[in-house]
Amino acid sequence: QKEVEQDPGPLSVPEGAIVSLNCTYSNSAFQYFMWYRQYSRKGPELLMYTYSSGNKEDGRFTAQVDKSSKYISLFIRDSQPSDSATYLCAMRYGQNFVFGPGTRLSVLP
Amino acid sequence: NAGVTQTPKFQVLKTGQSMTLQCAQDMNHNSMYWYRQDPGMGLRLIYYSASEGTTDKGEVPNGYNVSRLNKREFSLRLESAAPSQTSVYFCASGRELNQPQHFGDGTRLSIL
Repeated sequence: QKEVEQDPGPLSVPEGAIVSLNCTYSNSAFQYFMWYRQYSRKGPELLMYTYSSGNKEDGRFTAQVDKSSKYISLFIRDSQPSDSATYLCAMRYGQNFVFGPGTRLSVLP
Repeated sequence: NAGVTQTPKFQVLKTGQSMTLQCAQDMNHNSMYWYRQDPGMGLRLIYYSASEGTTDKGEVPNGYNVSRLNKREFSLRLESAAPSQTSVYFCASGRELNQPQHFGDGTRLSIL
């Protein structure tokens, strides 16, 4: 079992839809959770960074962490074609970062 | 504000050739990293540097060497390239080792 699992997609949604992206993990030592967005032929860009269980909101993006279930989610409201990208989850314990393989999202106009 | 700059953007090598990938950051970050990204496998850490003058192995260091030239620059060297090293290489930096990382746009390397 991989430490961090993520559905690779692709996930296609119509413009304006609510998108839910998810990661599961096996190591309960993970304490910090991140979401990155990666456009084609670009580097990952940090979107959200959170520590505790619960929700964190930033504009159209909401990160949700459930440590008891070892499950994190990223919700995108009112999705736009410009949100089309690969979304990577990442987690940290101590100085160790582990990245998920990414979910490819397409938002269709 | 360039952030993390990687050169070159693309490179094709023959098996056995050597090459150095360059990375520079202008954010005054202490820690720097080299990752490779392969389809379906996520980012895998090759080497990292907690601060100027220190380097440590990551998950997949075999076949690579690094140099932390100064606070800004962190290079990755392939001494004898192999087809298994065909990948996209990303450099990243962070304020400290336990802080989120900021990435460059990658070097796409093909080894024939």
